[in-house]
Order: sequence, then C-alpha cells, then structure tokens
Amino acid sequence: NAGVTQTPKFQVLKTGQSMTLQCAQDMNHEYMSWYRQDPGMGLRLIHYSVGAGITDQGEVPNGYNVSRSTTEDFPLRLLSAAPSQTSVYFCASRVTDHSYEQYFGPGTRLTVT
Amino acid sequence: QQQVKQSPQSLIVQKGGISIINCAYENTAFDYFPWYQQIPGKGPALLIAIRPDVSEKKEGRFTISFNKSAKQFSLHIMDSQPGDSATYFCAASVSNFGNEKLTFGTGTRLTIIP
Repeated sequence: NAGVTQTPKFQVLKTGQSMTLQCAQDMNHEYMSWYRQDPGMGLRLIHYSVGAGITDQGEVPNGYNVSRSTTEDFPLRLLSAAPSQTSVYFCASRVTDHSYEQYFGPGTRLTVT
Repeated sequence: QQQVKQSPQSLIVQKGGISIINCAYENTAFDYFPWYQQIPGKGPALLIAIRPDVSEKKEGRFTISFNKSAKQFSLHIMDSQPGDSATYFCAASVSNFGNEKLTFGTGTRLTIIP
C-alpha cells in the first residue's frame, strides 16, 4: 500500500492564481480530510469528507473548495490564491471510527507571492 | 478559540531524561485523546492514544497520563533519545457517528541533546 499520497510536494503561486492540490489513498478509508499547518497554530481542519459525494467544512474553509467523487481521491482547490494561504497542507484519511489511526500524507508546501 | 491548549512550545531535554508535554481542554464531551509525532519534512503519525475511562496508558517509553477532573492530559517520554527529536501534537475529538473532527494543540518542538 502507498498509503496517503499528495502532489505536488512544493508549489509557488502568484496572488490570484488557482490550483488543485491532489490527495489519494489506497486503504479504502471512508473519512478523508485536509489540514493546514502554520507556525504556532498547529494543524487546522479545512474540509473533510465522510464518503464519496459527502463533504463538509472544518475550522478554516474560506478560500478552499473540495469534492469527493471517489473513495480514493479528495482534491483541494484554491480558486484565487492569497498570501494568507501560504502554508503546508496535509491530507489525511482513516476509517470512520474516530478512535482509529488517522494517516497523514507527506504534505504540500505552498507559497503564494 | 483554542479548544486544546498545549505547552510548552519548545522543550530541550538531555539524552536519558524524561520529556513531559502537557495539554488542557475545555470541552468535556471530548472522548478520544491521541498524540501525534511529526518528524521534520513528514506528515504527523499517531504515537499513542487514550480514552477518558483510564488514567494512564503506556506503550514502551511513551506514557499518556489523563486527569479527567482537571481536564488535562500529558505525554511522558522516558529515557529520551535523540531519535525522539520531533514536533509533538496533542489532539482531541468527540464521538459523532463517524463525523468526528480532530482538534489539535499548537505543537511542541522537542529536542534531545546528547
């Protein structure tokens, strides 16, 4: 199993550009989520999904869109990038029971200039 | 509003010593408390977790101590080794029929010196 994979690993965007961060998992996990990690802020939940076709907002959803057309994939879209979205983004997945381990991807470091 | 407060922000411990990281929470509905370890350049990985029906859980050199009345829990790393140098996050969540969301602390950067 590859686990949770994320692409790209690094990305630089100009303000106003759009892009999609890709996330895929091969563990047949129903629950997938996106976090951003900023210094001194820990990990903050952006959006999450409990299954294909179902998504919901987390703590910091503004400026981000998600969709979940398959169990395996959960892309995160930035429609109009802003410098405040400079961060490290992590995708994670787990089975639906929250007491099970959440598996994180390796992260995408995004810089918006 | 930070629902899970973690301290200290950074910690330096000598090799062989005990590392202690503390977390406090407000939401008494939290019923799952994991600790995650993040090696630089990697995503966080589950280290150990506890439910509030026990006061302590030990796995090797890692122990979670849980104080329900004080709404606090802590991670103890015994015989700390240079390989333990990483950022540690506490977290908490509430059972919600598969809809649970983990709330993370702000992280502690642990450095073990020889």
